[in-house]
Amino acid sequence: DGGITQSPKYLFRKEGQNVTLSCEQNLNHDAMYWYRQDPGQGLRLIYYSQIVNDFQKGDIAEGYSVSREKKESFPLTVTSAQKNPTAFYLCASADATTEQYFGPGTRLTVT
Amino acid sequence: QKEVEQDPGPLSVPEGAIVSLNCTYSNSAFQYFMWYRQYSRKGPELLMYTYSSGNKEDGRFTAQVDKSSKYISLFIRDSQPSDSATYLCAMSFNTGNQFYFGTGTSLTVIP
Repeated sequence: DGGITQSPKYLFRKEGQNVTLSCEQNLNHDAMYWYRQDPGQGLRLIYYSQIVNDFQKGDIAEGYSVSREKKESFPLTVTSAQKNPTAFYLCASADATTEQYFGPGTRLTVT
Repeated sequence: QKEVEQDPGPLSVPEGAIVSLNCTYSNSAFQYFMWYRQYSRKGPELLMYTYSSGNKEDGRFTAQVDKSSKYISLFIRDSQPSDSATYLCAMSFNTGNQFYFGTGTSLTVIP
């Protein structure tokens, strides 16, 4: 069953704590992406990776970090430096044809 | 000016109506154009994918790209209540690159 998985679906953290969101794909896609979605603001790109061991900052990378040690995995860490971390986080991957597919998302709430 | 502009709506139509959703863009270098459907609290689902100009049809959905006007459209024929969702347009320059999204149009189809 091919696709993109994100876990957990809901995540709750206290302010000041770092938290890591998981994203795994078995589509054999080279490129992977992390977006943040807030009401009325559409999708904003946090980080993306076109190949293993390489990644680029998107429009809102401050307060976030990523790693790409395996082709299948692209975890996102929301650090305590992110001023407003509560949001819906979406992971995506894309193949050489540029068709981008999304995971189900993780809703992070920081209080 | 945003790279991609999309009217957020909301758009409300009776069941069976033809729906027209549109996006405009500013950068003529975009080559790949996509439409996504997103249900509440879910990840976006790829609906249509088009390379360069022209039309593409898939069942009740037709995607049009007019590169001379920098304008893309998604038409939904015989709209159904299950089509009620937010529709996002997206585009990119080349394979594996960054994707640029509209803010989404909220559609409600009334039975």
